[in-house]
Amino acid sequence: DIQMTQSPSTLSASVGDRVTITCRASQSISSWLAWYQQKPGKAPKVVIYKASTLETGVPSRFSGSGSGTEFTLTISSLQPEDFATYYCQQYDTYPWVFGQGTKVDVK
Amino acid sequence: EVQLVQSGAQVKKPGESLKISCKASGYTFTRSWIGWLRQLPGEGLEWMGIIYPGDFDIRYNPSFEGQVTISADKSLTTAYLQWTRLKASDTAIYYCARLNGYNDYWGQGTLVTVSS
Repeated sequence: DIQMTQSPSTLSASVGDRVTITCRASQSISSWLAWYQQKPGKAPKVVIYKASTLETGVPSRFSGSGSGTEFTLTISSLQPEDFATYYCQQYDTYPWVFGQGTKVDVK
Repeated sequence: EVQLVQSGAQVKKPGESLKISCKASGYTFTRSWIGWLRQLPGEGLEWMGIIYPGDFDIRYNPSFEGQVTISADKSLTTAYLQWTRLKASDTAIYYCARLNGYNDYWGQGTLVTVSS
């Protein structure tokens, strides 16, 4: 299976901060990467797919970049509703695999 | 509007059987893969398997093959996940999700608690 490694595991930030999360794949997955946001007690929701495409309805402060094995999710100006756990997921090769998650909490 | 509505929370004893469901609406059920994912308490997400209701093609994550059965009913536009003998380690939240390459729509999750 392809392994997905996210960093950091926890990120403490303040409203207005620029936040960057990194995801590394154990082999090339082209651009077949999605980012999900999960809040406590809720199902995940997609924020970015195909590495850099913003899902409809997701604020433009979210952006994704990368290809091959290195990817980043950036939140340009963190808002109160953005405190959550974020997961990357490769969908290049089945079984699809998620990163272990990055919890963005209040500094 | 695409919706995936899952069956309610379940409390079961080890060794019991269980079948949970995911009712799809708002799109052509037979034209999209739908899958099941597990989230252990306080942990991350794992893919269990996927089904294409159009021809009932099923692919299991090898980690879950033989442990669960995935099925679907076209007439009810519903996907299912079932166990024949639950274990305490099956305690988790189970999500269904539609596949559009990535998972574009999710069910609300079904909490399964297995405890003696």
